[in-house]
Amino acid sequence: DIQMTQSPSTLSASVGDRVTITCRASQSVSTWLAWYQQKPGKAPKLLIYKASSLESGVPSRFSGSGSGAEFTLTISGLQPDDFATYYCQQYNTFSPWTFGQGTKVEI
Amino acid sequence: EVQLVESGGDLVQPGGSLRLSCSASGFTFSGFWMSWVRQAPGKGLEWVAIVNQDGTEKKYVDSLKGRLSISRDNAKNVLFLEMNSLRVEDTALYYCARGRKGSMRGYYFDFWGQGALVTVSS
Repeated sequence: DIQMTQSPSTLSASVGDRVTITCRASQSVSTWLAWYQQKPGKAPKLLIYKASSLESGVPSRFSGSGSGAEFTLTISGLQPDDFATYYCQQYNTFSPWTFGQGTKVEI
Repeated sequence: EVQLVESGGDLVQPGGSLRLSCSASGFTFSGFWMSWVRQAPGKGLEWVAIVNQDGTEKKYVDSLKGRLSISRDNAKNVLFLEMNSLRVEDTALYYCARGRKGSMRGYYFDFWGQGALVTVSS
């Protein structure tokens, strides 16, 4: 299985900050990577697919980059609504498809 | 509006069985791969199973293969997950999710239900 490792596990930030979350794969997944946001008690929400494509309706302050085995999710200008846990997921091949362990963005 | 509504979650004894359902609306259900993803209390996400549009192709995570069966009823727009020989470690919130094809053999998930809670305990 392809292992996905996110860092940091927890991130403390303030409204207006630029926040970067890293996701590393145990082998190359090309650009087949998605990012999700999950708030407490809610289902995950798709933010980014194919490493850098913004899902329809997602604010442009969210951006993704990377390829191969290293990826980042950046939130430019953190908003109160952005405090949540973020997960990456690789879908390069059926290995099976795996998620990172999550990064909690807290105040 | 896409809606996925899970049902069937319950408290089950170890070794027991359970069938989860997911009712879909707001899109052409028969046109999409559908999946189950679970989340143990306080833990991360784990992909569990997926089924293709007509139910003829199914994939499972290795650790659960043999104890799970995913199926669908396109006439009723419902996705199912049958779970057998349940273990304490299967306790989780089970999400129904719509698959969107990304890579040649890879899917990510663009809409999710609110989840069905399965608790395995004696």
